[in-house]
Amino acid sequence: GENVEQHLSTLSVQEGDSAVIKCTYSDSASNYFPWYKQELGKGPQLIIDIRSNVGEKKDQRIAVTLNKTAKHFSLHITETQPEDSAVYFCAASTGGGSARQLTFGSGTQLTVLP
Amino acid sequence: GAGVSQSPRYKVAKRGQDVALRCDPISGHVSLFWYQQALGQGPEFLTYFQNEAQLDKSGLPSDRFFAERPEGSVSTLKIQRTQQEDSAVYLCASSLEFGREGSNTGELFFGEGSRLTVL
Repeated sequence: GENVEQHLSTLSVQEGDSAVIKCTYSDSASNYFPWYKQELGKGPQLIIDIRSNVGEKKDQRIAVTLNKTAKHFSLHITETQPEDSAVYFCAASTGGGSARQLTFGSGTQLTVLP
Repeated sequence: GAGVSQSPRYKVAKRGQDVALRCDPISGHVSLFWYQQALGQGPEFLTYFQNEAQLDKSGLPSDRFFAERPEGSVSTLKIQRTQQEDSAVYLCASSLEFGREGSNTGELFFGEGSRLTVL
Protein backbone atom coordinates (compact mmCIF):
# COMPACT_ATOMS: atom_id res chain seq x y z
CA GLY A 1 0.00 0.00 0.00
CA GLU A 2 0.88 3.67 -0.08
CA ASN A 3 3.43 5.06 2.38
CA VAL A 4 3.57 8.82 2.91
CA GLU A 5 6.58 10.24 4.73
CA GLN A 6 6.64 13.67 6.30
CA HIS A 7 10.20 14.01 7.52
CA LEU A 8 9.96 17.23 9.50
CA SER A 9 7.97 16.81 12.69
CA THR A 10 8.47 20.45 13.73
CA LEU A 11 9.30 23.68 11.90
CA SER A 12 9.73 27.15 13.37
CA VAL A 13 9.87 30.30 11.28
CA GLN A 14 9.85 34.00 11.98
CA GLU A 15 6.66 35.87 11.18
CA GLY A 16 6.79 37.09 7.61
CA ASP A 17 9.23 34.41 6.47
CA SER A 18 8.31 31.50 4.19
CA ALA A 19 7.76 27.92 5.32
CA VAL A 20 8.19 24.80 3.21
CA ILE A 21 7.02 21.33 4.25
CA LYS A 22 7.94 18.37 2.07
CA CYS A 23 6.42 14.91 1.77
CA THR A 24 7.44 11.83 -0.14
CA TYR A 25 5.19 9.00 -1.28
CA SER A 26 5.83 5.48 -2.44
CA ASP A 27 3.04 4.49 -4.81
CA SER A 28 3.64 5.81 -8.32
CA ALA A 29 -0.09 5.31 -9.02
CA SER A 30 -1.00 8.05 -6.53
CA ASN A 31 -2.66 10.92 -8.35
CA TYR A 32 -4.22 13.16 -5.72
CA PHE A 33 -2.28 15.07 -3.04
CA PRO A 34 -4.16 17.18 -0.49
CA TRP A 35 -2.80 19.17 2.44
CA TYR A 36 -4.75 19.47 5.67
CA LYS A 37 -4.27 21.93 8.53
CA GLN A 38 -5.17 20.88 12.06
CA GLU A 39 -5.47 23.40 14.86
CA LEU A 40 -5.38 22.32 18.48
CA GLY A 41 -8.56 20.49 19.46
CA LYS A 42 -10.00 20.64 15.96
CA GLY A 43 -10.34 18.24 13.08
CA PRO A 44 -8.09 18.59 10.02
CA GLN A 45 -9.24 21.04 7.36
CA LEU A 46 -8.32 20.95 3.67
CA ILE A 47 -6.25 23.97 2.64
CA ILE A 48 -5.04 23.05 -0.82
CA ASP A 49 -4.74 20.02 -3.08
CA ILE A 50 -3.13 19.07 -6.35
CA ARG A 51 -3.73 16.39 -8.92
CA SER A 52 -1.00 14.60 -10.79
CA ASN A 53 -1.72 16.29 -14.10
CA VAL A 54 -0.28 19.60 -12.85
CA GLY A 55 3.04 20.50 -11.27
CA GLU A 56 2.05 23.48 -9.17
CA LYS A 57 -1.04 25.11 -7.72
CA LYS A 58 -1.30 28.39 -5.84
CA ASP A 59 -3.96 29.95 -3.66
CA GLN A 60 -3.01 33.33 -2.22
CA ARG A 61 -0.19 32.73 0.29
CA ILE A 62 -0.12 28.96 -0.06
CA ALA A 63 1.10 26.82 -2.91
CA VAL A 64 1.78 23.16 -3.53
CA THR A 65 4.35 21.71 -5.92
CA LEU A 66 4.51 18.15 -7.17
CA ASN A 67 7.47 16.24 -8.57
CA LYS A 68 6.10 12.95 -9.90
CA THR A 69 9.48 11.66 -10.99
CA ALA A 70 10.97 12.02 -7.55
CA LYS A 71 7.64 11.21 -5.87
CA HIS A 72 7.59 14.18 -3.59
CA PHE A 73 5.32 17.17 -3.07
CA SER A 74 5.69 20.27 -0.95
CA LEU A 75 3.56 22.88 0.76
CA HIS A 76 4.80 26.47 0.54
CA ILE A 77 3.47 29.21 2.80
CA THR A 78 4.68 32.74 2.17
CA GLU A 79 4.48 35.78 4.49
CA THR A 80 3.70 33.53 7.45
CA GLN A 81 1.42 34.84 10.17
CA PRO A 82 0.85 33.64 13.76
CA GLU A 83 -2.47 32.11 12.73
CA ASP A 84 -0.58 29.80 10.39
CA SER A 85 0.74 27.98 13.48
CA ALA A 86 -0.82 24.51 13.39
CA VAL A 87 -0.07 20.91 12.43
CA TYR A 88 0.03 20.32 8.69
CA PHE A 89 -0.65 16.89 7.19
CA CYS A 90 0.09 15.82 3.66
CA ALA A 91 -1.80 12.93 2.12
CA ALA A 92 -1.79 10.88 -1.05
CA SER A 93 -4.43 8.88 -2.83
CA THR A 94 -4.82 6.75 -5.94
CA GLY A 95 -8.46 7.77 -6.10
CA GLY A 96 -8.04 10.70 -8.50
CA GLY A 97 -9.61 13.21 -6.19
CA SER A 98 -11.79 10.77 -4.35
CA ALA A 99 -11.53 10.79 -0.59
CA ARG A 100 -11.10 7.05 -0.63
CA GLN A 101 -7.72 5.39 -0.28
CA LEU A 102 -6.25 8.50 1.33
CA THR A 103 -3.04 7.91 3.30
CA PHE A 104 -1.82 10.66 5.63
CA GLY A 105 1.67 11.63 6.68
CA SER A 106 2.58 11.96 10.34
CA GLY A 107 2.26 15.75 10.45
CA THR A 108 4.51 18.80 10.83
CA GLN A 109 3.96 21.23 13.69
CA LEU A 110 4.55 24.70 12.26
CA THR A 111 5.24 27.47 14.75
CA VAL A 112 5.34 31.04 13.53
CA LEU A 113 7.34 33.14 15.95
CA PRO A 114 6.32 36.80 16.39
CA GLY B 1 -25.22 22.67 12.37
CA ALA B 2 -23.35 22.96 9.10
CA GLY B 3 -20.37 20.81 10.00
CA VAL B 4 -19.64 17.26 11.06
CA SER B 5 -20.68 16.72 14.66
CA GLN B 6 -19.14 14.10 16.94
CA SER B 7 -20.07 13.01 20.43
CA PRO B 8 -18.90 12.61 23.06
CA ARG B 9 -15.92 14.94 22.69
CA TYR B 10 -14.17 13.19 25.56
CA LYS B 11 -14.65 9.69 26.90
CA VAL B 12 -12.81 7.97 29.72
CA ALA B 13 -13.34 4.24 29.93
CA LYS B 14 -12.01 1.56 32.20
CA ARG B 15 -10.22 -1.27 30.46
CA GLY B 16 -12.76 -3.84 29.38
CA GLN B 17 -15.68 -1.44 29.02
CA ASP B 18 -17.58 -0.98 25.76
CA VAL B 19 -17.81 2.47 24.21
CA ALA B 20 -19.90 3.98 21.42
CA LEU B 21 -18.88 7.07 19.49
CA ARG B 22 -21.37 8.95 17.37
CA CYS B 23 -20.90 10.90 14.15
CA ASP B 24 -23.46 13.16 12.51
CA PRO B 25 -22.15 13.99 9.01
CA ILE B 26 -22.95 16.97 6.84
CA SER B 27 -26.43 16.58 5.41
CA GLY B 28 -26.36 15.08 1.93
CA HIS B 29 -22.83 13.72 2.16
CA VAL B 30 -22.76 10.26 0.69
CA SER B 31 -19.42 9.12 2.04
CA LEU B 32 -18.46 8.74 5.68
CA PHE B 33 -15.08 7.79 7.07
CA TRP B 34 -13.72 6.91 10.48
CA TYR B 35 -10.08 7.57 11.29
CA GLN B 36 -7.98 6.88 14.38
CA GLN B 37 -5.41 9.51 15.34
CA ALA B 38 -2.81 8.59 17.92
CA LEU B 39 -0.96 11.37 19.73
CA GLY B 40 1.48 13.09 17.41
CA GLN B 41 0.45 11.05 14.39
CA GLY B 42 -1.63 11.52 11.29
CA PRO B 43 -5.12 10.10 10.92
CA GLU B 44 -5.19 6.40 10.09
CA PHE B 45 -8.07 4.98 8.09
CA LEU B 46 -10.47 2.65 9.89
CA THR B 47 -13.55 2.23 7.75
CA TYR B 48 -15.61 3.79 4.96
CA PHE B 49 -19.35 3.96 4.19
CA GLN B 50 -21.11 4.92 1.03
CA ASN B 51 -24.61 5.70 2.21
CA GLU B 52 -25.52 2.76 4.47
CA ALA B 53 -23.12 0.31 2.86
CA GLN B 54 -19.81 -0.34 4.57
CA LEU B 55 -17.54 -0.69 1.56
CA ASP B 56 -14.20 -0.90 3.30
CA LYS B 57 -13.38 -1.94 6.83
CA SER B 58 -9.82 -2.98 6.21
CA GLY B 59 -8.44 -0.49 8.73
CA LEU B 60 -10.34 -1.75 11.75
CA PRO B 61 -7.59 -3.06 14.07
CA SER B 62 -9.52 -5.98 15.53
CA ASP B 63 -12.93 -7.58 15.73
CA ARG B 64 -13.54 -5.51 18.85
CA PHE B 65 -14.16 -2.56 16.53
CA PHE B 66 -17.50 -2.29 14.79
CA ALA B 67 -19.09 0.54 12.82
CA GLU B 68 -22.54 1.04 11.41
CA ARG B 69 -24.54 3.62 9.46
CA PRO B 70 -27.98 1.99 9.24
CA GLU B 71 -29.88 4.80 7.54
CA GLY B 72 -27.06 6.30 5.55
CA SER B 73 -26.69 9.32 7.81
CA VAL B 74 -25.57 9.07 11.44
CA SER B 75 -22.81 6.58 12.12
CA THR B 76 -21.67 4.88 15.31
CA LEU B 77 -18.25 3.42 16.00
CA LYS B 78 -18.36 0.84 18.75
CA ILE B 79 -15.35 -0.53 20.57
CA GLN B 80 -15.89 -3.57 22.73
CA ARG B 81 -13.73 -4.61 25.68
CA THR B 82 -11.55 -1.51 25.37
CA GLN B 83 -7.78 -1.83 25.80
CA GLN B 84 -5.24 0.85 26.68
CA GLU B 85 -3.91 0.80 23.13
CA ASP B 86 -7.34 1.98 21.95
CA SER B 87 -6.65 5.39 23.53
CA ALA B 88 -6.69 7.90 20.68
CA VAL B 89 -8.77 10.56 19.01
CA TYR B 90 -11.39 9.06 16.73
CA LEU B 91 -12.15 11.33 13.81
CA CYS B 92 -15.18 11.13 11.61
CA ALA B 93 -15.20 12.74 8.19
CA SER B 94 -17.79 13.05 5.46
CA SER B 95 -17.42 13.74 1.80
CA LEU B 96 -19.84 14.79 -0.91
CA GLU B 97 -18.69 12.26 -3.53
CA PHE B 98 -20.73 11.81 -6.66
CA GLY B 99 -21.20 15.54 -6.71
CA ARG B 100 -21.45 17.84 -9.68
CA GLU B 101 -18.98 17.13 -12.44
CA GLY B 102 -15.89 19.22 -11.95
CA SER B 103 -16.54 19.90 -8.31
CA ASN B 104 -14.06 18.80 -5.73
CA THR B 105 -16.08 15.96 -4.34
CA GLY B 106 -13.08 14.40 -2.66
CA GLU B 107 -12.64 16.96 0.09
CA LEU B 108 -12.97 15.42 3.53
CA PHE B 109 -14.83 17.45 6.14
CA PHE B 110 -13.70 16.36 9.58
CA GLY B 111 -15.44 16.60 12.90
CA GLU B 112 -13.54 17.71 15.99
CA GLY B 113 -13.07 14.13 17.10
CA SER B 114 -13.82 12.03 20.15
CA ARG B 115 -10.87 11.66 22.48
CA LEU B 116 -10.95 8.22 24.09
CA THR B 117 -8.80 7.50 27.12
CA VAL B 118 -8.75 3.94 28.40
CA LEU B 119 -7.46 3.54 31.94
